[in-house]
Amino acid sequence: SYELTQPPSVSVSPGQTATITCSGDKLGDKYTCWYQQKPGQSPVVIIYQDNKRPSGIPERFSGSNSGNTATLTISGTQAMDEADYYCQAWISSTVVFGGGTKLTVL
Amino acid sequence: QVQLVQSGAEVRKPGASVRVSCKASGYTFTHNYIHWLRQAPGQGLEWVGRINPNSGDTKYAQKFEGRVSMTRDTSISTAYMELSRLRSDDTAEYSCAIEYKYYAMDVWGQGTTVTVSS
Repeated sequence: SYELTQPPSVSVSPGQTATITCSGDKLGDKYTCWYQQKPGQSPVVIIYQDNKRPSGIPERFSGSNSGNTATLTISGTQAMDEADYYCQAWISSTVVFGGGTKLTVL
Repeated sequence: QVQLVQSGAEVRKPGASVRVSCKASGYTFTHNYIHWLRQAPGQGLEWVGRINPNSGDTKYAQKFEGRVSMTRDTSISTAYMELSRLRSDDTAEYSCAIEYKYYAMDVWGQGTTVTVSS
């Protein structure tokens, strides 16, 4: 079965750029999206179709997808961005999630 | 506004079944696939499957094939997920979600906690 691999954790200092990767076989050929989940809350989509931001999502969130890796970039990271982040792709009419990355802002 | 409201928490013994409901409002129920997902305590998101409310067509994650059934009642804009032969590792929060505005799950139910314990 298809797997998406994310680093379990990423740390970043406030104001710096955080990069979270998501790897899968020929992932660049598929659309990916990214979700942010804070404790006790439902996930919120922050990137869809590789690099599009839903309305209301700050411009500091951006995405890319090429080859075997999709990347979520958070520029000028803020304390409020501390959360779990999940990548997701559509694989043959099914949905696959990465294992999630805990972003710590310190 | 677009809303998905799920049924309340459930407790079941191993081997039993559980059915969770997801009532939609604020949009045309038959226009959007309904996905079911789960998240075990402290773990990541896991896709269980989806149903096309218009046709009733379903697609399940291979892991749940044979144990899960998704149905809908269009007269009351409600989708259901039933999971059978429950095990302790099925303990999780189960959520429904739709792709409403974007090609992503952008509207979520509030989640239903299912606890499997003897």
